[in-house]
Amino acid sequence: NAGVTQTPKFQVLKTGQSMTLQCAQDMNHEYMSWYRQDPGMGLRLIHYSVGAGITDQGEVPNGYNVSRSTTEDFPLRLLSAAPSQTSVYFCASSYGGEGYGYTFGSGTRLTVV
Amino acid sequence: AQKVTQAQTEISVVEKEDVTLDCVYETRDTTYYLFWYKQPPSGELVFLIRRNSFDEQNEISGRYSWNFQKSTSSFNFTITASQVVDSAVYFCALSEANNFNKFYFGSGTKLNVKP
Repeated sequence: NAGVTQTPKFQVLKTGQSMTLQCAQDMNHEYMSWYRQDPGMGLRLIHYSVGAGITDQGEVPNGYNVSRSTTEDFPLRLLSAAPSQTSVYFCASSYGGEGYGYTFGSGTRLTVV
Repeated sequence: AQKVTQAQTEISVVEKEDVTLDCVYETRDTTYYLFWYKQPPSGELVFLIRRNSFDEQNEISGRYSWNFQKSTSSFNFTITASQVVDSAVYFCALSEANNFNKFYFGSGTKLNVKP
């Protein structure tokens, strides 16, 4: 059971480039989310999804797009990378509903130069 | 507005000392959930505990214990007889009944346990 798998683990981008961070889970979880972690700020929610075909914005959605075509996959797209998007990105999934915690992936460390 | 405050940025203790990590939250909901996660140096986030707003009983799991007090909006985490392996960043988080998907995280407390 792989849990939540994120790829790549590390990435360096130039300003203006676009890329997709991949996230896949094999637990048949309905709920999936993307967070970014910055020093001294904890984790902040970027986008989330409550099921295939349904997504919504979180706290810091600007500059990012998501889609959820299958239950298993929830990719995060950076449209035009900026240095302010340098961060560690975590994907998470959950059964959803009251009080279930999230299972997190191992993270993607992104540097935009 | 929802907010989680972890005022302790970094704590250093010597092995076998007890240590308490503070968490204070703000919410307008009467139904909500509180969580603690551990992030060891390897970087992954490990779920530790979940508590709902209607259950104020303290919980103990081995050397870990949690004290939930609605009167002070606090959900503190105590490690008894700390060990070097407890060195990590610990995050407190809140989710509300109106949208369980949205987690609000505190900024984290880095715990250094020295041998």
